[in-house]
Parts: sequence; C-alpha cells; structure tokens
Amino acid sequence: AQSVTQLDSHVSVSEGTPVLLRCNYSSSYSPSLFWYVQHPNKGLQLLLKYTSAATLVKGINGFEAEFKKSETSFHLTKPSAHMSDAAEYFCVVSDWTGGYNKLIFGAGTRLAVHP
Amino acid sequence: DTGVSQNPRHKITKRGQNVTFRCDPISEHNRLYWYRQTLGQGPEFLTYFQNEAQLEKSRLLSDRFSAERPKGSFSTLEIQRTEQGDSAMYLCASIKQGGVNTEAFFGQGTRLTVV
Repeated sequence: AQSVTQLDSHVSVSEGTPVLLRCNYSSSYSPSLFWYVQHPNKGLQLLLKYTSAATLVKGINGFEAEFKKSETSFHLTKPSAHMSDAAEYFCVVSDWTGGYNKLIFGAGTRLAVHP
Repeated sequence: DTGVSQNPRHKITKRGQNVTFRCDPISEHNRLYWYRQTLGQGPEFLTYFQNEAQLEKSRLLSDRFSAERPKGSFSTLEIQRTEQGDSAMYLCASIKQGGVNTEAFFGQGTRLTVV
C-alpha cells in the first residue's frame, strides 16, 4: 500500500529565508507524488506534481520539489519565504491499485512565516 | 465560478440528528471523491464515484453514512444519527478522466460540528 510520512508537523521560518518541508513515501511501484497547500478557509490547491518526466519539479509560487528514489523522498523547498506562504502543506501519493487514482495524504506540515 | 462547490460551508447539528451535504463537481469531471479531515490530520478517503457508480467505500464509512451521485453529476453525503466523533471537515474533490497523474480539484469543504 502507498503511504506518505511528513517528518515535521510544524515548521517556522523568517520571511526571506529558505523553506524545507520534508516528505518520505512508501510505494510498491513508481509513485505519483503531489504537494497540495491549504490556506485557511480555502480549498486544497495543487502546488506541483511528480510525473516521472523530471526529478526536479517546479510548481507555483516559487516552490520546487525533488524526487529522490534512493531516499524515497519528495521534499518541498522554496528559496525565500513570503508571509503569504503561511499555510498547511500536504504531501500526497496517488494509489492506482483500484484502477483509479486515490490520493493518500500525509498528516500535513503547518508552515509559519515570521516577519 | 467553475470550481468544485460544496454546500453548506458550515453545519452545526445536535447529536442524533441527520445531516446532508452537497457537492457540485466541475462539470466535465466524471470522477468524484469524498474525504474527511479532522483537526491536525490530513484528509482521509471516504468514497469514490465514477459517473453515478460508487466504486469504493472506505471502512471509515460506517453504515450511518451514505453517499449518492444520481445521474453522475452532483453528489450528496448523508450522515444519520450524528455522533460527536463525526465532527470534521468533509471535502469533495473531482477529477477529469485521466491517468495516475491527473490533478484533483477540491472544494472548500463543509465543516460539521456535532454538539
């Protein structure tokens, strides 16, 4: 069965400093991985997705993630945090065993950005 | 607005009452999912529809829960004899027919509070 583990429940950074949100996955086959962001009172929004075309994936708002098969990791990074980045971030793996894509979410990482 | 729409946004109910939530997916999306999110956790899969057919139900979905998608358009999720443990955010997502990397679009959710 597919699963994801987000290694930090809370991350706090200062505005303008780098962001690193860590995610490890478990998959019996080549996984499809996503990062979603959830702002208060807003729906989940896709940041980026790994499609096996490239190991370094660029997403919206300056976020990137690197797929590392040897480490079973898909960490999310951003060079410089902005106040508007404060939100809950979810690492997600797609489970295709039922013949359709069922998204399996991690527990989430709450990112706080301080002035 | 052409996104996924959920109603109501908030619902407060007394224990033992029945509640029904509605989800209107993006019009050309034939796949619809319900998820439940409790405080501090990532969304958990509840059930999946392909067109009008309910193809999978999570063991989280007790017999007090029922979901329908008549005519393959909007979907409803009903909870009978609500319990305090049912308090959560109920999320709906839709996906256009596609492969394992296809993006899911989420609604803003219905927050249920059982008192």
